[in-house]
Amino acid sequence: AQKVTQAQTEISVVEKEDVTLDCVYETRDTTYYLFWYKQPPSGELVFLIRRNSFDEQNEISGRYSWNFQKSTSSFNFTITASQVVDSAVYFCALTVNTGGFKTIFGAGTRLFVKA
Amino acid sequence: ETGVTQTPRHLVMGMTNKKSLKCEQHLGHNAMYWYKQSAKKPLELMFVYSLEERVENNSVPSRFSPECPNSSHLFLHLHTLQPEDSALYLCASSQDDRKGGYTFGSGTRLTVV
Repeated sequence: AQKVTQAQTEISVVEKEDVTLDCVYETRDTTYYLFWYKQPPSGELVFLIRRNSFDEQNEISGRYSWNFQKSTSSFNFTITASQVVDSAVYFCALTVNTGGFKTIFGAGTRLFVKA
Repeated sequence: ETGVTQTPRHLVMGMTNKKSLKCEQHLGHNAMYWYKQSAKKPLELMFVYSLEERVENNSVPSRFSPECPNSSHLFLHLHTLQPEDSALYLCASSQDDRKGGYTFGSGTRLTVV
């Protein structure tokens, strides 16, 4: 069975601190995709990144960086120098092909960034 | 503007009412989805339409009835709902039903009284 675990329910930091959101996934598939989405208070989920299982290269996009480690089945997300606008719920997701592609979302991590 | 538009943004309905949620995308995507987001629970996939055909129905009660008249529009018809159906209903679309990478709408906040 596939599973996505975001063990941190809520994280609170002060502006300019770095913060890492953890994501651990489970799948027996060798081909899969991993995602991070941001859900601000307005409600819509915003796509941040997609990684396929064959690409373990870490990625940096501005203040955001992602660390994909197949050895530990983790796909962690780090925000450097956090800002108040980063306050949101962040979801990690896994897409696998189980007789049809299926996406499983983690429970989400609520991030509070205080000024 | 996210590219996926959902109406209404908020809906309050009685348990005997019939209402519909609407989702529209003009991104040229071929797949559309309904998700349910309840407090403190992971997103629950309800329905998947790929090329206007329903390809997944995740054991959703029959009081929820989806309709996909064309690749740009998706509806969720609601009737005789229960208070536990109160949630945020999110519509999403993607280029195809593989690989994820969804574009989500802002959701409809549904309250059943």
